[in-house]
Amino acid sequence: DTGVSQDPRHKITKRGQNVTFRCDPISEHNRLYWYRQTLGQGPEFLTYFQNEAQLEKSRLLSDRFSAERPKGSFSTLEIQRTEQGDSAMYLCASSHEIDRGRGFGYTFGSGTRLTVV
Amino acid sequence: AQKITQTQPGMFVQEKEAVTLDCTYDTSDQSYGLFWYKQPSSGEMIFLIYQGSYDEQNATEGRYSLNFQKARKSANLVISASQLGDSAMYFCAMRLYGQNFVFGPGTRLSVLP
Repeated sequence: DTGVSQDPRHKITKRGQNVTFRCDPISEHNRLYWYRQTLGQGPEFLTYFQNEAQLEKSRLLSDRFSAERPKGSFSTLEIQRTEQGDSAMYLCASSHEIDRGRGFGYTFGSGTRLTVV
Repeated sequence: AQKITQTQPGMFVQEKEAVTLDCTYDTSDQSYGLFWYKQPSSGEMIFLIYQGSYDEQNATEGRYSLNFQKARKSANLVISASQLGDSAMYFCAMRLYGQNFVFGPGTRLSVLP
């Protein structure tokens, strides 16, 4: 179990450029979540997948945001035409469909910190 | 809708002393889980402790305990014997079964030597 991996850890981009982040969940987890965390705030839910199906995407911040999980394993989050307001930490987490054990929580990655200049 | 309130933006505690981080929540659901996460400067969210809404006893995990007062809708985190490595952001969160987390704004804890 290597945990949830996110790549890159840091990304600096110019306004208007597209960026893509990758998340590799824990291998036996079939649910994958994306959150955004702005400075001084707690994480804010964006979207989640169960296997390859995107079950909730209404919280994506705008149509510039999209996420995929084509084979039900890793996921990508893309932001098109980035704006300075997109600067934030983007966190990925994974869990198993059956919330087992105490806590029905999940495992977070270390995040990708995006800076739009 | 669910909401988490953490009224302490920052807290200081002397090493080896205990500290309480406050959390209140709002939900109309009867079945929910309350969580505390630690976020060091590295960014990773580290699970600390969980309390289910139907749990009658307060949760404990090592030096962490959760003071759950359901009628007051509070779920305060108590850290005993603070260590320098406890300095971090702490987030209280709620999750309804099968749904996403709702996080509070966090409390920055600084442990003084």
